[in-house]
Amino acid sequence: AQTVTQSQPEMSVQEAETVTLSCTYDTSESNYYLFWYKQPPSRQMILVIRQEAYKQQNATENRFSVNFQKAAKSFSLKISDSQLGDTAMYFCACTTSGTYKYIFGTGTRLKVLA
Amino acid sequence: DAGVTQSPTHLIKTRGQQVTLRCSPKSGHDTVSWYQQALGQGPQFIFQYYEEEERQRGNFPDRFSGHQFPNYSSELNVNALLLGDSALYLCASSSGGLAGRYEQYFGPGTRLTVT
Repeated sequence: AQTVTQSQPEMSVQEAETVTLSCTYDTSESNYYLFWYKQPPSRQMILVIRQEAYKQQNATENRFSVNFQKAAKSFSLKISDSQLGDTAMYFCACTTSGTYKYIFGTGTRLKVLA
Repeated sequence: DAGVTQSPTHLIKTRGQQVTLRCSPKSGHDTVSWYQQALGQGPQFIFQYYEEEERQRGNFPDRFSGHQFPNYSSELNVNALLLGDSALYLCASSSGGLAGRYEQYFGPGTRLTVT
């Protein structure tokens, strides 16, 4: 069975600073995908970044990047130059090629302070 | 291009009642997944519909059922509501391929309160 663990329920960061959100996962599959989703207070969840397990290079999307440590089963999200609009719940998720369901962590509430 | 839409936005039901939630996928998508998000928790997979069939189900009782229509829209039905069914219900749409290969787009959700 797959599990996703986010051990930081809440975090805060000053505007323009950098913050890293942690995520660990467990799966017995060799072909899997990892995601970070953002859920702002308006509720609509949006994809922030995606990583294929077979790719060694860490994914980046503008100010968002991941540190994918496959052996440690760690998938952290780094947000650079934090903006007030980054305030949201962030969920780490995992899925494998042999299934259709996504397993989500419990989320990290990030507050960006002015 | 309309994204994923869900209706209603909120609803309040009484224990024992039945409820139907609706979802229209993003244009071009043929697959709909439903998730339950309890307060302070991450989304939990309920089931996924593709080609009008349920093709995978999470760990939810038979009180949760669904349907997908020829236009790819979907309904989630919950019978014999319990207080514990109070949650945000999210619909996500994607293309029909295997998980992970195609991005899931989420709707704004339906907030169900059971009293």
